Amino acid sequence: NAGVTQTPKFQVLKTGQSMTLQCAQDMNHEYMSWYRQDPGMGLRLIHYSVGAGITDQGEVPNGYNVSRSTTEDFPLRLLSAAPSQTSVYFCASRLTDTQYFGPGTRLTVL
Amino acid sequence: TQLLEQSPQFLSIQEGENLTVYCNSSSVFSSLQWYRQEPGEGPVLLVTVVTGGEVKKLKRLTFQFGDARKDSSLHITAAQPGDTGLYLCAGPISNFGNEKLTFGTGTRLTIIP
Repeated sequence: NAGVTQTPKFQVLKTGQSMTLQCAQDMNHEYMSWYRQDPGMGLRLIHYSVGAGITDQGEVPNGYNVSRSTTEDFPLRLLSAAPSQTSVYFCASRLTDTQYFGPGTRLTVL
Repeated sequence: TQLLEQSPQFLSIQEGENLTVYCNSSSVFSSLQWYRQEPGEGPVLLVTVVTGGEVKKLKRLTFQFGDARKDSSLHITAAQPGDTGLYLCAGPISNFGNEKLTFGTGTRLTIIP
């Protein structure tokens, strides 16, 4: 099993550009989520999904869109990047109480 | 406002020493989790505590859930350089069942050889 994979590892965007952060898991977990991690802030939940076709907002959803067309994939879209979205983004999948995190995407918005 | 407050924020100690880090809240949690995160990687789950007063041991790490389920502690005995990392506590936000997890701000631990 590859576990939870994320691409790209690093990304630099200009303000106003759009992009999609990819996340995939091969463990057949129904629950997936996206977090951002900023210095001194811990991890904050952006969006989550309890299964294909079902998504909901977390603590900090503004500026981000998600969809879940398959169990395996949970992409995060930034429609118009802003400097405030500079952060490290983690995708996770969960089985019962155990959450498995991907290696993260470090995003810089100039 | 953080639901979970962790202290200290930073801790640097010599190899072989003991240490305790804390995770506190004014809210009751049905369970709390502890994660360790190393640079450039995602957090890895260490333990879940679910019963007030519960103590769980993982080799040299001892985790305790407060009797009132509002706080937790992590004690490391004879710290080693491999214990270096960011320690995060997390708990489910009660009115969303287990669907939303909130994290503390973390304790960054450095063990000096």
